[in-house]
Amino acid sequence: GAGVSQSPRYKVAKRGQDVALRCDPISGHVSLFWYQQALGQGPEFLTYFQNEAQLDKSGLPSDRFFAERPEGSVSTLKIQRTQQEDSAVYLCASSQRGRVGNTIYFGEGSWLTVV
Amino acid sequence: AQKVTQAQTEISVVEKEDVTLDCVYETRDTTYYLFWYKQPPSGELVFLIRRNSFDEQNEISGRYSWNFQKSTSSFNFTITASQVVDSAVYFCVAGGTSYGKLTFGQGTILTVHP
Repeated sequence: GAGVSQSPRYKVAKRGQDVALRCDPISGHVSLFWYQQALGQGPEFLTYFQNEAQLDKSGLPSDRFFAERPEGSVSTLKIQRTQQEDSAVYLCASSQRGRVGNTIYFGEGSWLTVV
Repeated sequence: AQKVTQAQTEISVVEKEDVTLDCVYETRDTTYYLFWYKQPPSGELVFLIRRNSFDEQNEISGRYSWNFQKSTSSFNFTITASQVVDSAVYFCVAGGTSYGKLTFGQGTILTVHP
């Protein structure tokens, strides 16, 4: 597709449930990022992939968060045993090459509500 | 590590007014990148402009212009003749020598009234 595509757009999960969020980056984009945006805040970095390699996962808030990109294209962010504080918008982004300063394009986000 | 501060939480203007969004950044990187993104109610972050730290030339692109001042670590963004469709949250963003790890400001909510 023309832009970064994320699914589901909206997810309501019961506390303790596992969720999986999918990201389809722009075709041919080497770099892929996940960001978390709490209500009323700016997005915060979670993790970065260059092709299939996860080069930085320093922003993942706990070991309940796990991301993968096995074939270097589609990525999945998994949250295990969800808690209320996980409620946020999860934004996926991609850029053409793993070069500093490349423009990063964002998807519309997956809105997660944990009840 | 970087820090971005947007002092204005909310701005409200009437259509056709000019509006300037302020941004101050902190970084230890000698080479860095500054961006403005717009987030309409749909949630998607829309790229507006990018500036490299080694190029302080200010430009105008349509109704958008920006003022990058390294001496004061500011990267202000101006919309000329605002329109109702400009209503959104605007984020000032900094990127350093890492691959693309971005630091966002808190955002400024811009409301343009007809």
